[in-house]
Amino acid sequence: NAGVTQTPKFQVLKTGQSMTLQCAQDMNHEYMSWYRQDPGMGLRLIHYSVGAGITDQGEVPNGYNVSRSTTEDFPLRLLSAAPSQTSVYFCASSLRGDEQFFGPGTRLTVL
Amino acid sequence: QQQVKQSPQSLIVQKGGISIINCAYENTAFDYFPWYQQFPGKGPALLIAIRPDVSEKKEGRFTISFNKSAKQFSLHIMDSQPGDSATYFCAAEGSARQLTFGSGTQLTVLP
Repeated sequence: NAGVTQTPKFQVLKTGQSMTLQCAQDMNHEYMSWYRQDPGMGLRLIHYSVGAGITDQGEVPNGYNVSRSTTEDFPLRLLSAAPSQTSVYFCASSLRGDEQFFGPGTRLTVL
Repeated sequence: QQQVKQSPQSLIVQKGGISIINCAYENTAFDYFPWYQQFPGKGPALLIAIRPDVSEKKEGRFTISFNKSAKQFSLHIMDSQPGDSATYFCAAEGSARQLTFGSGTQLTVLP
């Protein structure tokens, strides 16, 4: 099993550009989530999904969109990148009520 | 609004010593309290977790102490080793099965 994979590992954007962060898991997990990690603030939940076709907002959803068309994939879209979205982004997956497995992260810089 | 408060922000311990990290939560609906360990450039990984029906859980050198009435829980690392040097996050999970993280503690164990 590859576990949770994320691409790209690094990305630099200019303000106003859009992009999609990819996340995939091969563990047949129902739950998938996106977090952002900023210094001194821990990890904050952006969006999450409890199954294919079902998504919901987390603590900091503004500026981000998600969709879940398959169990395996959960992409995160930045609609119009802003410097405040400079962060490290982590995708995680879990079975219902079980340990969350995190991907290796995507380091995003918005200039 | 930070629902899980973690302290200290950083901790330096000698090899063989005891590392103690504390967390406090506000939401009494939380029912699962994991600790995650994160090494530089990696995603967080589950270290140990506890549910509020027990006051202590021990796994090897790692122990969680849980005080439901005080809404506090802590991580104790016995016989700390240089390989334990990492960032530690406490977290809390409620019925929506989403994690709320503390702000993190950077632990350095000196050889």
